[in-house]
Amino acid sequence: EIVLTQSPATLSVSPGERATLSCRASQSVSSNLAWYQQTPGQAPRLLIYDASNRATGIPAKFSGSGSGTDFTLTISSLEPEDFAVYYCQQRGSWPFTFGQGTKLEIK
Amino acid sequence: EVQLLESGGGLVQPGGSLRLSCAASGFSFSSYAMSWVRQAPGKGLEWVSSISGSGDSTYYGDSVKGRFTTSRDNSKTTVYLQMNSLRADDTAVYFCAKTTYSSGYPSHVDVWGKGTTVTVSS
Repeated sequence: EIVLTQSPATLSVSPGERATLSCRASQSVSSNLAWYQQTPGQAPRLLIYDASNRATGIPAKFSGSGSGTDFTLTISSLEPEDFAVYYCQQRGSWPFTFGQGTKLEIK
Repeated sequence: EVQLLESGGGLVQPGGSLRLSCAASGFSFSSYAMSWVRQAPGKGLEWVSSISGSGDSTYYGDSVKGRFTTSRDNSKTTVYLQMNSLRADDTAVYFCAKTTYSSGYPSHVDVWGKGTTVTVSS
């Protein structure tokens, strides 16, 4: 099973600033990685798929990069609604797995 | 508009069974894989199972293999999760998930249901 490790566990950033979230895989997943956002009490929402492609309706402030084992989600110009938990997910091999999440909180 | 509506959650005793349903609408149901993803209270996401659009192929996570069965009825645009031999650590919100394909293989979730809660407790 591929283990995804997200860092940091909690990230404190001020509104208007940029946030950089990391996801590292225990073995290569090529570009087979997605990012999701989850706010309290809600279902997750797809942000990025195949490492760097924005999902439909996702603003350009969200960007993904990386391949192999190291991936980054960058969120620019943070707004109040961006403070949430973010998960990465790999589809490089079954069973698909998620990272443990990064909580993005207001500084 | 794509909609996924889960039902069937509830309280069940350890060792018991439960069947979840997910009624889908707003897209070409048989063209998409469908998945179940769960989230234990206060915890992260866990991919439980996926099923191909035709229903011919199914995939299960290690923690549920042999206990859970995923099926679908394309005529009813509904996917099911039959859960047997339930344990306390199966307690979670179960999300139904429309899953895209890539190279003929399930890929990522592009639409999520709101979830249904399963509680396993005596």
